[in-house]
Amino acid sequence: NAGVTQTPKFQVLKTGQSMTLQCAQDMNHNSMYWYRQDPGMGLRLIYYSASEGTTDKGEVPNGYNVSRLNKREFSLRLESAAPSQTSVYFCASSEGVRTDTQYFGPGTRLTVL
Amino acid sequence: AQSVAQPEDQVNVAEGNPLTVKCTYSVSGNPYLFWYVQYPNRGLQFLLKYITGDNLVKGSYGFEAEFNKSQTSFHLKKPSALVSDSALYFCAVRDPTTGNTPLVFGKGTRLSVIA
Repeated sequence: NAGVTQTPKFQVLKTGQSMTLQCAQDMNHNSMYWYRQDPGMGLRLIYYSASEGTTDKGEVPNGYNVSRLNKREFSLRLESAAPSQTSVYFCASSEGVRTDTQYFGPGTRLTVL
Repeated sequence: AQSVAQPEDQVNVAEGNPLTVKCTYSVSGNPYLFWYVQYPNRGLQFLLKYITGDNLVKGSYGFEAEFNKSQTSFHLKKPSALVSDSALYFCAVRDPTTGNTPLVFGKGTRLSVIA
């Protein structure tokens, strides 16, 4: 099992450009999450999908959109990138939201110039 | 509302000494509590969790944590630290009375084990 995979690993964008971060899991998990990690801020939830067909906002959703494409895949889109979106982005999955352990991908390091 | 605090940004300990990484939480009901570890340039890895039952929880790599309801704490401990334990540690909490809302993570504590 690959677990949770993310593409790309690194990306540099110019302000105003758009891009989509891809995430896939092969553990048949119902729930998936997108986080950003910034120095001194810890891990902050952007969006999550408790089950296929549902998505909900997290703590910092502004400037992002998500799509739960199917049970395996959950993408994060930046429509018009801003320097404040420079961060490391992590995708995670779990069987459910309530008590289940989250499993994390390796991360995408995004720089917006 | 649920929240979690890790009061120390950095913890330094000598190899072979016991280590403690502190975590306190605030929830309305009985919490679900987790510890994760992040090694450099990697994603977070699950260490252990407390849902119910015995207050002392044992996890991966020799780590354990004690749930203390009266002090609203869930400190991570290991009897003898290794240099390879040096990493960023995150505590997370979930309030089960809040429906389907996911975990809230602390800001992390950087552990440095010195040989």
